[in-house]
Amino acid sequence: IAGITQAPTSQILAAGRRMTLRCTQDMRHNAMYWYRQDLGLGLRLIHYSNTAGTTGKGEVPDGYSVSRANTDDFPLTLASAVPSQTSVYFCASKGGNGDTDTQYFGPGTRLTVL
Amino acid sequence: GQNIDQPTEMTATEGAIVQINCTYQTSGFNGLFWYQQHAGEAPTFLSYNVLDGLEEKGRFSSFLSRSKGYSYLLLKELQMKDSASYLCAHMDSNYQLIWGAGTKLIIKP
Repeated sequence: IAGITQAPTSQILAAGRRMTLRCTQDMRHNAMYWYRQDLGLGLRLIHYSNTAGTTGKGEVPDGYSVSRANTDDFPLTLASAVPSQTSVYFCASKGGNGDTDTQYFGPGTRLTVL
Repeated sequence: GQNIDQPTEMTATEGAIVQINCTYQTSGFNGLFWYQQHAGEAPTFLSYNVLDGLEEKGRFSSFLSRSKGYSYLLLKELQMKDSASYLCAHMDSNYQLIWGAGTKLIIKP
């Protein structure tokens, strides 16, 4: 593994189903983020984690949950998917320990909820 | 409140120069980022400005005016591979990034 990986690459999901999007980084970055990207809108922050064991809510957290059991993994769970959660989901981690360090993105997961 | 605006789409010619503008409003500011995103791919970091002025990095330069809440990304000697979306984001007082919707740049031969 080099950098940030996400799985699955894409998924079609029936409404009401539970789904976990996986994110793993091997750069030992403390901070990690989940964004969704929709056409015509900027990236919107769903949840974040400044360090292992802590999480926080972003701009659009409703319907999503996260956990950060260790430094490398930051899964995003949709407890009961709805069509409005159809989007491209990006995981990111922040290099270095400075607050203003650069965020690096995973390749994304394209999720369609029917 | 916080707001960030950039043009939706721009067109330029191969070999030319293009300037993509970004304006923002924020109660707290910790820097301005520019990212490039090719269609179907992840955003990749281009530049970071926290002080006023111009930062040059090869064919790409980024400018910031904090008093005007304004930044631009300047791309010189345009190449076809520069066709992409360019995302502007400012870092707020909580060190979270607030993103613009992106500017789709179309390069024509």
